[in-house]
Parts: sequence; C-alpha cells; structure tokens
Amino acid sequence: LAKTTQPISMDSYEGQEVNITCSHNNIATNDYITWYQQFPSQGPRFIIQGYKTKVTNEVASLFIPADRKSSTLSLPRVSLSDTAVYYCLVGDIGDSSYKLIFGSGTRLLVRP
Amino acid sequence: AAGVIQSPRHLIKEKRETATLKCYPIPRHDTVYWYQQGPGQDPQFLISFYEKMQSDKGSIPDRFSAQQFSDYHSELNMSSLELGDSALYFCASSPQALSYEQYFGPGTRLTVT
Repeated sequence: LAKTTQPISMDSYEGQEVNITCSHNNIATNDYITWYQQFPSQGPRFIIQGYKTKVTNEVASLFIPADRKSSTLSLPRVSLSDTAVYYCLVGDIGDSSYKLIFGSGTRLLVRP
Repeated sequence: AAGVIQSPRHLIKEKRETATLKCYPIPRHDTVYWYQQGPGQDPQFLISFYEKMQSDKGSIPDRFSAQQFSDYHSELNMSSLELGDSALYFCASSPQALSYEQYFGPGTRLTVT
C-alpha cells in the first residue's frame, strides 16, 4: 500500500477555504485516493474519493494532479463544526479487501 | 437513514475476562469491517467479512475472533482481556465488497481494568 504523508495539524478561521494536501509518492496505477473525517470519539466518516483530476461533492472537492503523487482536499468556507481529524488513504481498487489503512491524519482546528 | 448499530456502547471488563461486541450493518450492506482505535491513536483494521465469510485479517490478536451471521450482523469476541485492549472498537459496513466508502458505527468503548 502506498504510504501517505499529511501535515500533522492546520489552523483556520470560520468562513475560510481550507486545503489539506496529502503526499503519496509511490501511488500505484490501480490506487484510488479516499478521504475520511473523524470527530473525537466518533467513527470516521467518508468524505470523498477520486482517481485523477477533480472530484466534487456537496461537502468537499478533491484535486489530483496528473502525476497523482499528491492530492488536495478542499473544504469551502469552513465552520467550527469542521474541526476534526482528516485522513488521506490510498488503496488498490483491485485488492480482494478494501480495508482502510489509516496513517496519521491532519488535525484541523477552525477558530471563530 | 439507517446507520450502523453497535452494542453495547460502553463496556467495562476486568483483566482476563471475555467480551462480545455486536455490530448490525446498514440494511443490504453485505460487508463488515472491524477497527480498533486506542487512546490518541489512529484506527487500526482488525478483520473483515463479506457474505458471511472472512475476507481479510489485520492486526487482530489470536485472543480475538469474529464472525458474520446469516442476517449479516457481526460479533467480535475477545478473550483473556488485557489492559492494552482498552480502546474504541468501530464496526463499519459497505454496500459492496469492492469499495473504500465505508459507513462507521458509533463505536463500543471498552475499558479493561
């Protein structure tokens, strides 16, 4: 499985756009990029998944450059409730199991 | 919308005791995953089931076992509990085996004293 590297923490203010970048230099051809959000003492929550270029849903956007060696999760106009840990995961769509391998996520703190 | 149900939500056990955690996946989800999250740590994959068969195994101690039943609910059985087993245990379900989009339950907080 490709190793991912994310910033340990980030600070932002309400209403700002937050971009969290994840590095995955040894991503394989069949790997997909998935992001999860986790609040304290709650189960992780799926945010978005992508393979290349840009994916957008009602919660976030995911930007993946052509070389796919990194990805950026973009949260538009964050609020205090977006304070959480964000995990970037990379996994092979061809695997027999789709277990999630969590690395060290990014702790996002949104201030008033 | 229905979510993943886990029971109990909290459990306190003593060392060397046994514990059983239950997970009821979202209806029509046939794949179940178990994760363990220790204090201040990231979630760690334990084991998964697809259509009542074990599909993958992670860092699950030999003292633990799990199964998925005909109604797709799953149980994680833990024996000879140790202090280090104190953690949040999450169950997640997926509508298909080939997906990284998993839906997590609220977790069971196990405290071993």
